[in-house]
Amino acid sequence: GAGVSQSPSNKVTEKGKDVELRCDPISGHTALYWYRQSLGQGLEFLIYFQGNSAPDKSGLPSDRFSAERTGGSVSTLTIQRTQQEDSAVYLCASSLGRQGYSGNTIYFGEGSWLTVV
Amino acid sequence: GQNIDQPTEMTATEGAIVQINCTYQTSGFNGLFWYQQHAGEAPTFLSYNVLDGLEEKGRFSSFLSRSKGYSYLLLKELQMKDSASYLCAVNAGNNRKLIWGLGTSLAVNP
Repeated sequence: GAGVSQSPSNKVTEKGKDVELRCDPISGHTALYWYRQSLGQGLEFLIYFQGNSAPDKSGLPSDRFSAERTGGSVSTLTIQRTQQEDSAVYLCASSLGRQGYSGNTIYFGEGSWLTVV
Repeated sequence: GQNIDQPTEMTATEGAIVQINCTYQTSGFNGLFWYQQHAGEAPTFLSYNVLDGLEEKGRFSSFLSRSKGYSYLLLKELQMKDSASYLCAVNAGNNRKLIWGLGTSLAVNP
């Protein structure tokens, strides 16, 4: 597609339920990132996929969070047993090559706004 | 540790010039990015610096001094639509992971 596409754009869920957030990166981009941004806060790195390499999961805040990327394209971020502190906007981004390599620009999707009640 | 510092908030007047500073302390350096983020929207790319000096792009310019661990974003002829958060991010470390600042919220007043 023309840009990074995320769905759903808004999600309200009850505490304890599982949620899945989807990201469709820009066609041809090998690198895909998930970030989280709470209201008024900075970007929090969650996970990074690069081609067929093992993902960098160092930013996942707990084992309730997981992500996969199928076929080197679409990615799904799953949050199990959601808690109120999970409420944030979840941003997906993609770039042509390796993270931060030689000016590879990161392009962000519009985000999935998650509210846990 | 890895650290990026930016002012939290700035205000300026329409038509004026504003400079947003970013200082960083990182274990490595492979370039610095500036992004703009309007409220409720995703960040969008503004500039990338990897060598010392000034990069000019229309009303926006970005400067880098690697020896000082310092960058600034210069916005000229400010417009109301420039009211946004400006994020500084450094490409640092062996795995080239991006380190993000918390952003500077700029308010442009008439």
